[in-house]
Amino acid sequence: SQKIEQNSEALNIQEGKTATLTCNYTNYSPAYLQWYRQDPGRGPVFLLLIRENEKEKRKERLKVTFDTTLKQSLFHITASQPADSATYLCARGGFQKLVFGTGTRLLVSP
Amino acid sequence: SQTIHQWPATLVQPVGSPLSLECTVEGTSNPNLYWYRQAAGRGLQLLFYSVGIGQISSEVPQNLSASRPQDRQFILSSKKLLLSDSGFYLCAWSVGGLAAYQETQYFGPGTRLLVL
Repeated sequence: SQKIEQNSEALNIQEGKTATLTCNYTNYSPAYLQWYRQDPGRGPVFLLLIRENEKEKRKERLKVTFDTTLKQSLFHITASQPADSATYLCARGGFQKLVFGTGTRLLVSP
Repeated sequence: SQTIHQWPATLVQPVGSPLSLECTVEGTSNPNLYWYRQAAGRGLQLLFYSVGIGQISSEVPQNLSASRPQDRQFILSSKKLLLSDSGFYLCAWSVGGLAAYQETQYFGPGTRLLVL
């Protein structure tokens, strides 16, 4: 089955540093991967989508990479801020649905 | 613009009681609709999805059921709740069609269910 694996341990970083979150997938490469942000008690919010033929995608302070050799996507937040503290979910496409990872919690300290 | 509504926001129910959670979407037609459950500190578990009225696909066999009586309405039900049904229930929609697997999902505010 297609799986998405994210580090279940929380990532603690200091304000201003770059946060890097990892998403690994199994079996064949998905056509694309999506990243979402989820705040406590709220539904996930879409951030970025990267396609298999795109090595990198950027949006403001966010950057996502897609490495089909390593079967991995990296999600970077540069110049991190306490407001970036949240859980970040990675998802891969399946027929008519998405398969989500369990998410990685990011804590940015002032 | 599109909006998605879920209610109620929170619900406390005794074991063995029935359940009905409702989700409606505005501003789009023929969306794909999804029900997820998220246990405390856990990931999203897809429960059901629907690509059209009356069409329901079940991902996890359990005592829950879903229905789609109208194009933009999705209902999650149970005849008898179990303790293990407690969790955060999220409804989501995406653009429908053959390329739906490529589409972003938009989530509702969620319903927090506590079964005692």
